[in-house]
Amino acid sequence: GAGVSQSPRYKVAKRGQDVALRCDPISGHVSLFWYQQALGQGPEFLTYFQNEAQLDKSGLPSDRFFAERPEGSVSTLKIQRTQQEDSAVYLCASSLGVRGGTNYGYTFGSGTRLTVV
Amino acid sequence: KNQVEQSPQSLIILEGKNCTLQCNYTVSPFSNLRWYKQDTGRGPVSLTIMTFSENTKSNGRYTATLDADTKQSSLHITASQLSDSASYICVVSPIIQGAQKLVFGQGTRLTINP
Repeated sequence: GAGVSQSPRYKVAKRGQDVALRCDPISGHVSLFWYQQALGQGPEFLTYFQNEAQLDKSGLPSDRFFAERPEGSVSTLKIQRTQQEDSAVYLCASSLGVRGGTNYGYTFGSGTRLTVV
Repeated sequence: KNQVEQSPQSLIILEGKNCTLQCNYTVSPFSNLRWYKQDTGRGPVSLTIMTFSENTKSNGRYTATLDADTKQSSLHITASQLSDSASYICVVSPIIQGAQKLVFGQGTRLTINP
C-alpha cells in the first residue's frame, strides 16, 4: 500500500482481556518496528523485525507482550491480560532497512489507541 | 536521565512568527538525527534527517541545525502557520551493531494562535 496501515484505530479493552493489534507495512519494507507512546510522551521502542526475524525485543515491558511477523510482511502485536498501564498509542513503523551503514527513512502508521478500563 | 531531551515542553506563538525548538542528546555515537512532526492522533512524519557530519538541513519553512561537539540540535520554523500546530519530536539513531533503534525525545507541543 501507499503507507503503513494499522488496525484498529481505537480499541477499548476490559482489564484482563487479550488484544491483538495489526500492522500492514509498506510493501517491500524489510524492517518493522513497534513503539509504545504514552500520552504526552515520545514513542518508546518495543520490538524490531527484519523480515520475519524478530531481532530485538528488548523493549517489550513484560511477557504479556508478544509480537510476530510470520511471513515477513504483516505484523501483530498481542497483549495478554491487559492492565490499565498498557493504555497508550501503539505505533508501527517500517523501513527499507540499513544499507552501507545508512539508515533509510521510517514511515509511521497512525497508531492504535488502546484504552484499558 | 533521558538520552534525548527537548525544550521547551510546550510553546504558544502567534501565526506568522518564527520559533526555535531545542534538542540536547547524549546518544553517542549516532548515525543520524531526525526531526519529526506529529499531528494529534497521527503517526510522526519526518521533517529532516541529518548525519553527524551535517550542520544544517532545510525543508521548506523548517530548518534544522546540528552541533555534534555540544550534542545539540535545533529546529527553526519560519513564518508559522496554523497547520504547524503539532508536537515536534527530536529522534536520534544510535550506532548499535545489528540494531536500528530510534531514541525519541518527549517532544515540544507547539500551538499556533491566529
